[in-house]
Amino acid sequence: QSALTQPASVSGSPGQSITISCTGTSSDVGTYNLVSWYQHHPGKAPKLMIYEVSKRPSGVSNRFSGSKSGDTASLTISGLQAEDEADYYCCSYAGSSTYVFGIGTKVTVL
Amino acid sequence: EVQLVESGGDLVQPGRSLRLSCAASGLPFDDYAMHWVRQAPGKGLEWVAGISWNSGDIAYADSLKGRFTISRDNTKNSLYLQMNSLRPEDMGVYYCAKDSRFFNAFDFWGQGTVVTVSS
Repeated sequence: QSALTQPASVSGSPGQSITISCTGTSSDVGTYNLVSWYQHHPGKAPKLMIYEVSKRPSGVSNRFSGSKSGDTASLTISGLQAEDEADYYCCSYAGSSTYVFGIGTKVTVL
Repeated sequence: EVQLVESGGDLVQPGRSLRLSCAASGLPFDDYAMHWVRQAPGKGLEWVAGISWNSGDIAYADSLKGRFTISRDNTKNSLYLQMNSLRPEDMGVYYCAKDSRFFNAFDFWGQGTVVTVSS
């Protein structure tokens, strides 16, 4: 259960698009289409943004989209806004009812 | 409105035990699996343990090595985490999270409770 690999930080200007990668292994991301993404503002509860690789929960902006290729999943935020500045974590089901999170990516809006 | 309220976080000495609780409201608690997720200071989120709706399926992160026990009482709409032999690396914010039921994701989280392990 090693943490999934994410870039430590990603930045972009308002209106731009950014993509956060999440690399796992054939034991988690590569096998299961059960990758989710969470937005976490420090001091607040994390918020589910994407589930099952690319599906958005009700209420989540369509500026957020997800995809997966092989052992790597990605979260794209388009039309970047100041309120998107937060930490983002990917998470994958890893079999036997277990889960593994990514190390987290700090998104900065310039 | 769904509410998950964690409690029980405290300052404890290494080697001691602590029991966290999570009180759920605004949802049919016994319909959902539940999880504990933690965040050490300056670190990322780490899945700790999960329990199915009827406690029939329980899983833990390998790193815990049997020190933690997750449980639930559906009659009290409550989730618990018994933490034994606490270590400094167990310090952090512990979140209670609701399972999305069909999508293997955590669709609602509490605000967390803080555990400090120090002598």
